[in-house]
Amino acid sequence: EIVVTQSAATLSVSPGERATLSCRASQSVNGNLAWYQQKPGQAPRLLIYGASTRATGVAARFSGSGSGTEFILTISSLESEDSAVYYCQQYNNWPMYTFGQGTKLEIK
Amino acid sequence: QVQLVESGGGVVQPGRSLTLSCAASGFRLTSYLMHWVRQAPGKGLEWVAVISSDGRNKYYADSVRGRFTISRDTSKNTLFGQMNSLRPDDTAVYYCARDNPQSGGFDYWGKGTLVTVSS
Repeated sequence: EIVVTQSAATLSVSPGERATLSCRASQSVNGNLAWYQQKPGQAPRLLIYGASTRATGVAARFSGSGSGTEFILTISSLESEDSAVYYCQQYNNWPMYTFGQGTKLEIK
Repeated sequence: QVQLVESGGGVVQPGRSLTLSCAASGFRLTSYLMHWVRQAPGKGLEWVAVISSDGRNKYYADSVRGRFTISRDTSKNTLFGQMNSLRPDDTAVYYCARDNPQSGGFDYWGKGTLVTVSS
C-alpha cells in the first residue's frame, strides 16, 4: 500500500498571502495525484488532478505541482472562503486509492 | 447534470447489517468506476471499495473486506454498499464518488449518508 503523508496538520495564513500545502507519497505515483477541498458539513470537492490540472470551475489561484513522490498545492492569494481541509490522494496504485490525512487551512 | 444521492444510513446495533444506496443521474454507471469512501467523525477520508465500469471487478479496503459488498443495479442506475457485522468503528459518513478515468481523481461526490453503529 502506498502511504500518503501531508506534513502539516494545520496551516494558518493571512488573507491575500500564499499558502503552500505539501503531500508526500511513500513510493512514486508518477503524476497520479489529486487534491480535494472539504468544507465543514460538505462532501470533498476535486480541485486538482494529474498533479497539476485544475478541475472544472476551480479558481485560477489554486495550482498544483510535483511528480514522483513530492507534491504541492499552492493557493496564490488566500481568500476567506478558502478555509477548509485539503486532502491529497494518489490513484496510481489501482485499486488502493489512498488519501493523505488532510491539512486544515485556517485564515488568520 | 451529474448527481449522486446516497441513502440508507442510520443507527444500527453492532453485529447488524445495513445497505447503503447511491442513486446516480446525469451519467450511466456502466461508463465509470464507482467508489465508496467513508469519513469517521472528525477524521479524514478513507477509501472503502470500488466497482469497475463493467461490474466484474470489485475491490475492498482491508478494514471492510469480508464485511462490505459493493454492487449496482444498472437498470436503476444505482450503486449499493451492503455492510454486515457492523462494528462501532464503522461509524462514519459514507460517500459514493465517481472516478473519471479521462482526468483522474473523483470528480463527483454525493453528500453522504451517516451510519452510526451503537448499542
